[in-house]
Amino acid sequence: EDQVTQSPEALRLQEGESSSLNCSYTVSGLRGLFWYRQDPGKGPEFLFTLYSAGEEKEKERLKATLTKKESFLHITAPKPEDSATYLCAVQVSGSARQLTFGSGTQLTVLP
Amino acid sequence: IAGITQAPTSQILAAGRRMTLRCTQDMRHNAMYWYRQDLGLGLRLIHYSNTAGTTGKGEVPDGYSVSRANTDDFPLTLASAVPSQTSVYFCASSDSSREDEQFFGPGTRLTVL
Repeated sequence: EDQVTQSPEALRLQEGESSSLNCSYTVSGLRGLFWYRQDPGKGPEFLFTLYSAGEEKEKERLKATLTKKESFLHITAPKPEDSATYLCAVQVSGSARQLTFGSGTQLTVLP
Repeated sequence: IAGITQAPTSQILAAGRRMTLRCTQDMRHNAMYWYRQDLGLGLRLIHYSNTAGTTGKGEVPDGYSVSRANTDDFPLTLASAVPSQTSVYFCASSDSSREDEQFFGPGTRLTVL
């Protein structure tokens, strides 16, 4: 059974305090790993897709990396507007376009 | 404005009643999806449709049905609602040329009493 586990469940940072969120996965064959951002009361917003171990992608203060067992979302010098829930999802080879999501990490950045 | 709309925004429903959640996209995406989001469980796929006229079951399809008569609309029906179907429901779509990125609607908060 495909599984996606995110840690920590919640993270509080001071503005400017860099950290990382973890997404570990167990799948039969990874086609892609996705990161989404979700603000309260809204739908998830796409951030990144990673396809192979060693791949990295960046967007503003966010950088996503991928290994064969896990992905990290690094947040450098976060700002209060980075506060949100960050979701990780995997797409398995042969599963059409279905995504399996983790339960998310709720990030709070304090001013 | 291009995107996905969902209706209603929220609904309180008596158990046993029938309910249809509406989803419309104007991006001409081939694929559409319905997810439910519950605290601590994340987003779980209910049903999906890769193209108009076809549908498939996701992880948690029981108690739900869908149809895809055209490209733009993908309604989700609860034939006889039960309290365990209390959740936030999200519709999403993706383009076959950029199938990785799923665009999500704003969600429908459903409470079944």
